[in-house]
Amino acid sequence: AQKITQTQPGMFVQEKEAVTLDCTYDTSDQSYGLFWYKQPSSGEMIFLIYQGSYDEQNATEGRYSLNFQKARKSANLVISASQLGDSAMYFCAMREGLTGRRALTFGSGTRLQVQP
Amino acid sequence: GAVVSQHPSRVICKSGTSVKIECRSLDFQATTMFWYRQFPKQSLMLMATSNEGSKATYEQGVEKDKFLINHASLTLSTLTVTSAHPEDSSFYICSASANWVVRGNYGYTFGSGTRLTVV
Repeated sequence: AQKITQTQPGMFVQEKEAVTLDCTYDTSDQSYGLFWYKQPSSGEMIFLIYQGSYDEQNATEGRYSLNFQKARKSANLVISASQLGDSAMYFCAMREGLTGRRALTFGSGTRLQVQP
Repeated sequence: GAVVSQHPSRVICKSGTSVKIECRSLDFQATTMFWYRQFPKQSLMLMATSNEGSKATYEQGVEKDKFLINHASLTLSTLTVTSAHPEDSSFYICSASANWVVRGNYGYTFGSGTRLTVV
């Protein structure tokens, strides 16, 4: 079974509008972390935001916020005020357990295109 | 912040030759290194996990004799693609973790990736 599911292969958004990228996850661990990364065409993985399973508040980092719904096992990324530079692939990822000794599992990604 | 330097960024090699990819943590000690492979328009797939001073653990379906991983020190891990073939052409990226949470990335620092083309 897929541990991380991203159901939107591609998304379009108008510049300055907000967009939500969906992510659902599956784990039996009580302790886990959820990550979002941006991958531009250069290939580097740019960390955007993190949400721990015990965090009660939704994570926010500048224009990025994570809509964490634990009961539904969803961790959607919201990008506000989209910019042309936001066009890239976006990956949701999960770490099971508390430490970085375990690898991240990635979803299939969503290609976001911001239109002027 | 934590930085992982990955080299080379691009490499073209002939079929049958070997290629070595290096990942070096510049300002922290990486106790664990993860190696991923990414085919075009696909996600990152974990190939192997290596801990400093011990043998790497390979994911199912990854040939350990073809993809040699060495993590001889806390600051350097290498992936060698032996007897490369065109189907090994891919984007390879490393990710280092430490025993502490690095402010800003929650424990995982990625290299910039290596685009391997085997001709």
